[in-house]
Amino acid sequence: EAGVTQFPSHSVIEKGQTVTLRCDPISGHDNLYWYRRVMGKEIKFLLHFVKESKQDESGMPNNRFLAERTGGTYSTLKVQPAELEDSGVYFCASSQEGSAVYNEQFFGPGTRLTVL
Amino acid sequence: QKEVEQDPGPLSVPEGAIVSLNCTYSNSAFQYFMWYRQYSRKGPELLMYTYSSGNKEDGRFTAQVDKSSKYISLFIRDSQPSDSATYLCAMSASPSGTYKYIFGTGTRLKVLA
Repeated sequence: EAGVTQFPSHSVIEKGQTVTLRCDPISGHDNLYWYRRVMGKEIKFLLHFVKESKQDESGMPNNRFLAERTGGTYSTLKVQPAELEDSGVYFCASSQEGSAVYNEQFFGPGTRLTVL
Repeated sequence: QKEVEQDPGPLSVPEGAIVSLNCTYSNSAFQYFMWYRQYSRKGPELLMYTYSSGNKEDGRFTAQVDKSSKYISLFIRDSQPSDSATYLCAMSASPSGTYKYIFGTGTRLKVLA
């Protein structure tokens, strides 16, 4: 079974440009999460989709970030315009839906974003 | 103050040593406590999870949760060079772990051959 995949693995852009990150969750996983790790800090939650709906977007830093999940499958995270402080590693994770048992969040390898 | 505190290390130990990794937290609503291992340039990979208080053992790894002290630990017995990685504690207030995780900063561990 394929794991969570993310594209690109690394992106280098200039301040003010736009970047779109993509995440393909494990097939059948209704829950999809975006996290971010800024250098020297902990991994921080950005938002959580259940299928195509945003369940929790409390971690989104500002309105320059836009996340979508078309048809409840893959998700994109767009940063427009990018700022220097957006540099970091963006992780995507997915998990099955369930209320009675623990559902592991499986993480992708991350996209390393560098804003110059 | 961060919700989860974790010593970033680095921690260097000789092969075969017992390693103790710890996190403290402030939110009493946390119900699930996870330990993830992350190798360089890879995503975090779940090692173990514990629900509420107690101990859990899996091979060379033991996880402990003390909710009264808001303190969790991961012990690695007979440590191997292949255990060299960053170890992340994570916590969730969800009844099924499907809510957001709150992570510690991670502890870098190096096991010397």
